[in-house]
Amino acid sequence: DIQMTQSPSSLSASVGDRVTITCRASQGIGYSLAWYQQRPGKAPELLIYAASRLESGVPSRFSGSGSGADYTLTISSLQPEDFATYYCQQHYGLPRTFGQGTKVEVK
Amino acid sequence: QAQLVQSGAEVKKPGASVRVSCKASGFTFSGYYMHWVRQAPGQGLEWLGRINPNGGTTRYAEKMQGRFTMAWDTSTTTVDMELTSLTSEDTAVYYCAREGSGFDRWGQGTRVTV
Repeated sequence: DIQMTQSPSSLSASVGDRVTITCRASQGIGYSLAWYQQRPGKAPELLIYAASRLESGVPSRFSGSGSGADYTLTISSLQPEDFATYYCQQHYGLPRTFGQGTKVEVK
Repeated sequence: QAQLVQSGAEVKKPGASVRVSCKASGFTFSGYYMHWVRQAPGQGLEWLGRINPNGGTTRYAEKMQGRFTMAWDTSTTTVDMELTSLTSEDTAVYYCAREGSGFDRWGQGTRVTV
């Protein structure tokens, strides 16, 4: 199985901050990486797929980058609605493993 | 628009089985793999399995083998999951998800309490 390791597990930030979350796979996954946002009590929502492609309707302040085994999600200017938990997921092989999540909290 | 609607919350005793349904609408059902994912209280997301509605082939997480099955009905565009021999560790919210480019549509979640 491909293991996905996210860091940090949590972070504190303020509105307007630039936020970066990283995700490392246990092997190269050829850009087959997605990022999700989950608000409390809600289902996850797709933000980014294929490492850097923005899902329709997702604000442009979200961006993804990376290659091989290392990937990054960046929020360029944090908004109040962005305080949530973020997960990476590889869609290179089965099982479709997730990172453990990064909780973005109010500073 | 594409939508997944799941059946309601369940409370089960240890050793029992549970079946959760996921009804798809607004898209060509046979054109997408469908997955189940669960989330235990305060925990992260755990992938459980996948079904190809165009043929019915399935793949399950190794830890779920023997207890977890997925089935689909193209006439009702529904994907079901069944989990047997429940323990307290199966207490979680269970989600169905459609795989387009990533899991691009999710059901609202079904809480299963054991």
